[in-house]
Amino acid sequence: AQRVTQPEKLLSVFKGAPVELKCNYSYSGSPELFWYVQYSRQRLQLLLRHISRESIKGFTADLNKGETSFHLKKPFAQEEDSAMYYCALRGAAGNKLTFGGGTRVLVKP
Amino acid sequence: DTGVSQNPRHKITKRGQNVTFRCDPISEHNRLYWYRQTLGQGPEFLTYFQNEAQLEKSRLLSDRFSAERPKGSFSTLEIQRTEQGDSAMYLCASSPVGEQFFGPGTRLTVL
Repeated sequence: AQRVTQPEKLLSVFKGAPVELKCNYSYSGSPELFWYVQYSRQRLQLLLRHISRESIKGFTADLNKGETSFHLKKPFAQEEDSAMYYCALRGAAGNKLTFGGGTRVLVKP
Repeated sequence: DTGVSQNPRHKITKRGQNVTFRCDPISEHNRLYWYRQTLGQGPEFLTYFQNEAQLEKSRLLSDRFSAERPKGSFSTLEIQRTEQGDSAMYLCASSPVGEQFFGPGTRLTVL
C-alpha cells in the first residue's frame, strides 16, 4: 500500500521568512515523488518532481529515502506563494497518484 | 484554452438521481484519470484509462459508479442513485507519459 502524510494543515509565515512543508510517505519500492500546488481559483498544477532535481519558483525538495520524506522548502516566502500544496507519490509499476491531505500556506505581508 | 476541460463545473442534484460528468483531455494525451476530492482532503484516485481501455479501478469506485472512454478521447463518469456522501469535487487529469495535467473539476452537491 502507498500512503502520503502531510502533518501540517496550515502554515502561516511572514513574507521573507523561510517555509518548509513536510511530506512523509510509505511505499515498499522506489517511488516517484511530486509536489502539486493549487492557487486560489486555479486548477491543480505540478510544482516540481524529485527526478528533475530542479528549483521552481524558488522551491526545492529533496527525496530522503532513509527518512521516507520529501519536504518542500523555500528560503524566502513571497505573498504569491500563498496556496494549497499537495505532496503526491507514484509507485514504480503504476500510473495513479496518491496524494497527501494538503497544506495551506499563508504568507502574510 | 488547450488544457483539460470538464463539464459541468457545478452540479446540484437530489439524492437518488443519476448524474454524468464529462472530461475532455488534452488532445494528444492517451492516459486519462479520474480523482475525487472531498473537503479538507487531497485528491483520491478513482480510475485510469489508457486510450479506451480502463486499466485500473479503485475500490472507492462502487458499482454505482461507471466510467467510459469509448473512442479514447473524452471520458464520462456516471454516478447512479446518488447519495449525500458522493458530494465532492471530481477531478479529471490527462497525461502522455509522466506529468498529469488536471482539469478544473466538477463540484457535485447531493441534497
